[in-house]
Amino acid sequence: DSGVTQTPKHLITATGQRVTLRCSPRSGDLSVYWYQQSLDQGLQFLIQYYNGEERAKGNILERFSAQQFPDLHSELNLSSLELGDSALYFCASSVEGAYGIQYFGAGTRLSVL
Amino acid sequence: AQKVTQAQTEISVVEKEDVTLDCVYETRDTTYYLFWYKQPPSGELVFLIRRNSFDEQNEISGRYSWNFQKSTSSFNFTITASQVVDSAVYFCALSEGGSSNTGKLIFGQGTTLQVKP
Repeated sequence: DSGVTQTPKHLITATGQRVTLRCSPRSGDLSVYWYQQSLDQGLQFLIQYYNGEERAKGNILERFSAQQFPDLHSELNLSSLELGDSALYFCASSVEGAYGIQYFGAGTRLSVL
Repeated sequence: AQKVTQAQTEISVVEKEDVTLDCVYETRDTTYYLFWYKQPPSGELVFLIRRNSFDEQNEISGRYSWNFQKSTSSFNFTITASQVVDSAVYFCALSEGGSSNTGKLIFGQGTTLQVKP
């Protein structure tokens, strides 16, 4: 068990809908990262928060947004969902802002029908 | 631009064979970190090792060993006496860091290892 908790484990929704993925980092970790894993794109970095502030952004779509709350948990919001958004979404956390070992949650599998 | 290449898409071995997973990276940073993660069939990503760009010592942990060579920009992973439980997808990753001070990981495409009994 990595200590990173992601909910829900599975999510099935329809095109055009909006969903929220939740992540609780390991105790004491200030950085939260979101990654998307799909068959065609592999594992892609989406966004990083460090102690409540956005630190880095990857190729995250404008329809996607995230935030990190004062208790350090994070949420990834996906809106106007398309079939191509179906993927495994991982959250990871680390103590440091850079170079740190990232511990990954079990992921949320999103299926857009 | 930073890039990680795992040229081996799939490898199949018989139990007790040794197997090496290749990883080649590209970066202009002088300071960087390299990682290996394991993704078993259950789907989670499990951290295996982190190595910084200034430490070229090879590392051994049980049946696992890693060979880091800056001259060839490679960070290869060897499993000795493979076991069925080693069957998984293995990812090599590069941490960008540098002046942007982020921990963003750039992953290779992964190598699927199948160990047959």
